[in-house]
Amino acid sequence: ELKVEQNPLFLSMQEGKNYTIYCNYSTTSDRLYWYRQDPGKSLESLFVLLSNGAVKQEGRLMASLDTKARLSTLHITAAVHDLSATYFCAVDIENDMRFGAGTRLTVKP
Amino acid sequence: DGGITQSPKYLFRKEGQNVTLSCEQNLNHDAMYWYRQDPGQGLRLIYYSQIVNDFQKGDIAEGYSVSREKKESFPLTVTSAQKNPTAFYLCASSILDSYGYTFGSGTRLTVV
Repeated sequence: ELKVEQNPLFLSMQEGKNYTIYCNYSTTSDRLYWYRQDPGKSLESLFVLLSNGAVKQEGRLMASLDTKARLSTLHITAAVHDLSATYFCAVDIENDMRFGAGTRLTVKP
Repeated sequence: DGGITQSPKYLFRKEGQNVTLSCEQNLNHDAMYWYRQDPGQGLRLIYYSQIVNDFQKGDIAEGYSVSREKKESFPLTVTSAQKNPTAFYLCASSILDSYGYTFGSGTRLTVV
């Protein structure tokens, strides 16, 4: 059974600091997704990572994928308050997408 | 504009009632999914469908039922057998063997 584990589950950062969220998964897959969810809202797609070594960046967020280690990271650079949200990774095996528990990020001034 | 629409946004259910959540998409996506999200937790798969008139149970299908009579529509019924239905329900759709899902805006169901 595919399991997806994120850590940390809760992250409180100060503005301007850097941090990394980790996503481990248990079964071989080359489709890894990162989503953002604001409170009470739906999921917004951030990144789609489709191959080993894939790296994508958007603003202060950068995601990478190591399929051999079954690990993806979401790196936050110089955090700002607007990044406060819950971030989910998800792994797709044969059209069956499984989600991590989410990382609730709070960026404080 | 193409998209996926869930309704209602908020729904209240009395004990013992069945309620139906609507999910409609005009993206011509083959597959549709229902997820449940509890406060502070991730998404758990309830049911999914990859083709009209066919659907499969997810991890937490007990107490729920679905139908897929049209490609565009995948309604979810929360039956009285679901003992703890209060949650946020998200519908999603995708093209098979493509990359990523499109999510609806969600329905928040509360038992009163």
